[in-house]
Amino acid sequence: AQKVTQAQTEISVVEKEDVTLDCVYETRDTTYYLFWYKQPPSGELVFLIRRNSFDEQNEISGRYSWNFQKSTSSFNFTITASQVVDSAVYFCALSEARPPRGGADGLTFGKGTHLIIQP
Amino acid sequence: DAGITQSPRHKVTETGTPVTLRCHQTENHRYMYWYRQDPGHGLRLIHYSYGVKDTDKGEVSDGYSVSRSKTEDFLLTLESATSSQTSVYFCAISELVGGDTQYFGPGTRLTVL
Repeated sequence: AQKVTQAQTEISVVEKEDVTLDCVYETRDTTYYLFWYKQPPSGELVFLIRRNSFDEQNEISGRYSWNFQKSTSSFNFTITASQVVDSAVYFCALSEARPPRGGADGLTFGKGTHLIIQP
Repeated sequence: DAGITQSPRHKVTETGTPVTLRCHQTENHRYMYWYRQDPGHGLRLIHYSYGVKDTDKGEVSDGYSVSRSKTEDFLLTLESATSSQTSVYFCAISELVGGDTQYFGPGTRLTVL
């Protein structure tokens, strides 16, 4: 069975600080996909990144960066120079490459990390 | 933004009443999903569809049924709502299966009194 753990329930930092959100996953598959989604206070879910299990290169997009390490089953997310607009709940999620029932399958989500950026 | 709408956006109902939530997409994607979001649980899969009239159960399907008669619409029905089904419900779509990105609708907040 798949599992995603986001051990940090809530993080509070002051604006302009760097912050890292942790994500640890479990899967028996050798091919899988990892995702991060952002849920701002308005409630919608915003897709941030998708990474497959064969691509361990770190990715940077503006102030956002992701560190994927298969050796530790982690896919951590760092925000550099945080801003108040980054305040949100962030979810890490996992998907198998071959759904067990042959039809489709959903994402397995972590419980989320509530990030508070104080001005 | 993916063209996904959900209706209603908010609903208050009483225990024992039937409730149907609608998800509508304009992307012509084959795969559609219903999730519920509860504090301390993240999002959990209720049901999904891999084509018209093709559906299957997810992790928390008890008390829910779904139907998909057209590519663009995926309905979630609570036959007899209970207070434990008070939640925020999200619909999602994906073009492919097996790791494709899922895009989410705006959500429906359902309160069962």
